[in-house]
Amino acid sequence: AQSVTQPDIHITVSEGASLELRCNYSYGATPYLFWYVQSPGQGLQLLLKYFSGDTLVQGIKGFEAEFKRSQSSFNLRKPSVHWSDAAEYFCAVGEMEYGNKLVFGAGTILRVKS
Amino acid sequence: DTEVTQTPKHLVMGMTNKKSLKCEQHMGHRAMYWYKQKAKKPPELMFVYSYEKLSINESVPSRFSPECPNSSLLNLHLHALQPEDSALYLCASSQDAAGTYNEQFFGPGTRLTVL
Repeated sequence: AQSVTQPDIHITVSEGASLELRCNYSYGATPYLFWYVQSPGQGLQLLLKYFSGDTLVQGIKGFEAEFKRSQSSFNLRKPSVHWSDAAEYFCAVGEMEYGNKLVFGAGTILRVKS
Repeated sequence: DTEVTQTPKHLVMGMTNKKSLKCEQHMGHRAMYWYKQKAKKPPELMFVYSYEKLSINESVPSRFSPECPNSSLLNLHLHALQPEDSALYLCASSQDAAGTYNEQFFGPGTRLTVL
């Protein structure tokens, strides 16, 4: 079975500082990888996705992620964090062979201090 | 229209009540999903419907009964729930659920509290 690990439960950064959220996955074939963001009590918004091709993926709100097959990682980055980025971030892998199922990591809660 | 809508936004029910959650999409998607998200946990898949047929049931208790009346609509019927079923219920849809991977679009969720 596939799994996703987000090693950081909480991260606090200062507004304007850079951000990197870590994600490692376990999957036998080429993975379909996603980053979602969730504000408290809200649904999930897709930030970006990787299916194939260029390993550096650009997303919405100034986020990017880099797929590194050798490290089984898909880390999310942003060069300058805004207070409105405070939320919970989920990395997910898609299981095409099992009904398109998404398997989520445990999530990382981002706090932004001013 | 690129939205998935869910009603109601909030629902409080007793353990003997029967209620339903509704999800709707008008993107022409043929696959729809229910996820359950407990507090401080990631979403977990409950059901997948593909072309209006139930294709995956993740061993969900029978007190949760999904229904897909047409390709745009997905319901989740609730009966005799337990307090531990309190959670955010998320609906999602995608173009398809087979062949090639299809991105899922999520609704805002229904916050369910079982007393």
